[in-house]
Amino acid sequence: GQQVMQIPQYQHVQEGEDFTTYCNSSTTLSNIQWYKQRPGGHPVFLIQLVKSGEVKKQKRLTFQFGEAKKNSSLHITATQTTDVGTYFCAGQRSGAGSYQLTFGKGTKLSVIP
Amino acid sequence: DVKVTQSSRYLVKRTGEKVFLECVQDMDHENMFWYRQDPGLGLRLIYFSYDVKMKEKGDIPEGYSVSREKKERFSLILESASTNQTSMYLCASSWFYGVEQYFGPGTRLTVT
Repeated sequence: GQQVMQIPQYQHVQEGEDFTTYCNSSTTLSNIQWYKQRPGGHPVFLIQLVKSGEVKKQKRLTFQFGEAKKNSSLHITATQTTDVGTYFCAGQRSGAGSYQLTFGKGTKLSVIP
Repeated sequence: DVKVTQSSRYLVKRTGEKVFLECVQDMDHENMFWYRQDPGLGLRLIYFSYDVKMKEKGDIPEGYSVSREKKERFSLILESASTNQTSMYLCASSWFYGVEQYFGPGTRLTVT
């Protein structure tokens, strides 16, 4: 079946440093979504990327979708304590009946003030 | 605002009990999903439903069943709870496939 690998599993950064998490799929994706889960909370949708090579920005967050639509990254510039949480990518495969998302295992971000 | 609610935040059950987890969404979404979340394993899909009375197995359906009698309600059933089903259970909904999913607050189930 489809697999979505996400690295690193954990990342500890000093406040103000940058952070990147990477996502790789074993198959070509129709789209990829990113979610954030705060400690004790539930996943909350951040963004969806659909086009090959797409880059989207949300303030300090930059999301990229690879040219082959098999990999993606999330980069946070100048982390803040409010960025703490686990970031998940979730890939939607191409083709008929592709209802489900396959989630990566997530990257847990800790920010040291 | 989309709201997805789950019947309990915390639940403790005994091995062998039948367990019902309820999920309700208020946005007339077509699709509903049940995931379990375990440390180091991320979110794994148990079952999903794309219409009333329709259901599809996800990646880990063994030991679970589901029911969707009304569009807004999706139930997860553990026929005979076992200790390896101790987990966080998350319900989600989306208005169409391939678009963002809205998650409920989760139910932390402990089976003793």
